[in-house]
Amino acid sequence: KAGVTQTPRYLIKTRGQQVTLSCSPISGHRSVSWYQQTPGQGLQFLFEYFSETQRNKGNFPGRFSGRQFSNSRSEMNVSTLELGDSALYLCASSLILAGESTHNEQFFGPGTRLTVL
Amino acid sequence: KNEVEQSPQNLTAQEGEFITINCSYSVGISALHWLQQHPGGGIVSLFMLSSGKKKHGRLIATINIQEKHSSLHITASHPRDSAVYICAVPGEKLTFGTGTRLTIIP
Repeated sequence: KAGVTQTPRYLIKTRGQQVTLSCSPISGHRSVSWYQQTPGQGLQFLFEYFSETQRNKGNFPGRFSGRQFSNSRSEMNVSTLELGDSALYLCASSLILAGESTHNEQFFGPGTRLTVL
Repeated sequence: KNEVEQSPQNLTAQEGEFITINCSYSVGISALHWLQQHPGGGIVSLFMLSSGKKKHGRLIATINIQEKHSSLHITASHPRDSAVYICAVPGEKLTFGTGTRLTIIP
């Protein structure tokens, strides 16, 4: 079974631009979560999607948004990029058995490294 | 909000040594995740445990729910174990520890 895939793997943008990152979960997984990792803040939760609906959202500004498609693939978008948005963006998929997705094993993708100049 | 603390932040050891990484959290949970992140960024889920002990190869994870504490042990450490180890506790979202950077010297 193929793992979680993320595209692109690397991205360079300039301030003010917008960016869209893509995540394809493991086949059969309906939950996709997004995380931001920076040297200063570590790993932080962005949002989680399940069955095309956002279930949870972290403490990030409205410039960060996402969506999930009927095939469970997910995209996240960051508008009006700032230098501080430079980070590794990770997505993880989970097979929801019951209750919170965080209580189930999460399978991480390789990440997209975004650099904002 | 669950506060998650890991110790030590950095650990350097000789090949073959027994390694222990600790994780403490402030709010009671039903399970805890241990993750491994290699240089380059990819994260691998090592364990998810809710009680007692789990073993996978040379890796052992223990958890004490009452004391809100978990440990990750590595026996007969090897340079390929060099990575950042992160614990995470569930809730509405996963809350991560700051990670322990482990370096095993041959």
